[in-house]
Amino acid sequence: SQTIHQWPATLVQPVGSPLSLECTVEGTSNPNLYWYRQAAGRGLQLLFYSVGIGQISSEVPQNLSASRPQDRQFILSSKKLLLSDSGFYLCAWSVLVGGRNTEAFFGQGTRLTVV
Amino acid sequence: GQQLNQSPQSMFIQEGEDVSMNCTSSSIFNTWLWYKQDPGEGPVLLIALYKAGELTSNGRLTAQFGITRKDSFLNISASIPSDVGIYFCTCAGGTSYGKLTFGQGTILTVHP
Repeated sequence: SQTIHQWPATLVQPVGSPLSLECTVEGTSNPNLYWYRQAAGRGLQLLFYSVGIGQISSEVPQNLSASRPQDRQFILSSKKLLLSDSGFYLCAWSVLVGGRNTEAFFGQGTRLTVV
Repeated sequence: GQQLNQSPQSMFIQEGEDVSMNCTSSSIFNTWLWYKQDPGEGPVLLIALYKAGELTSNGRLTAQFGITRKDSFLNISASIPSDVGIYFCTCAGGTSYGKLTFGQGTILTVHP
């Protein structure tokens, strides 16, 4: 069966420090991968998505970046965190079946607090 | 770009009442999905809809994929306290290859 791992679960970082959040998927190949951010328990803002290795689509201009060095690994990074980067970050995956995007499955999330 | 409007933004209901929420899009899609998020957790899929006009049930939950392929609704019957959470809709397909954008969410509060 497929599983998704996201870590760490919580993170407190000072302003200006770098960030690296990692997400890995098991049990599937060539998944679509997503990073979302959720502020104040509200909507899910799509930050990045990837349909293949090295292919990253950015949805919101900001000081975050994403990389996909391997098929089932998706990394969210920042060189210098801002206070506004605080939030709940969620990784998700889905697959295309017959050219159709199927449901997305989410990791448990990372609560990031920038202080 | 892909725009989803989900309503209502929040609901406060008594246990046992029925709930209805809906989602509309600016474009046509071939997949509608409804998720529920418990506090501090990632969203979990409730119902998936893949065909226009499709009506699908999952226990007390019922969802429909609108005929126009631009809308969907989710109904919860006889609500219970554990229904509390944030409900999200999303749609995929059409010209949004690989991309999944979510509605703003409906916060549901159920009073015992």
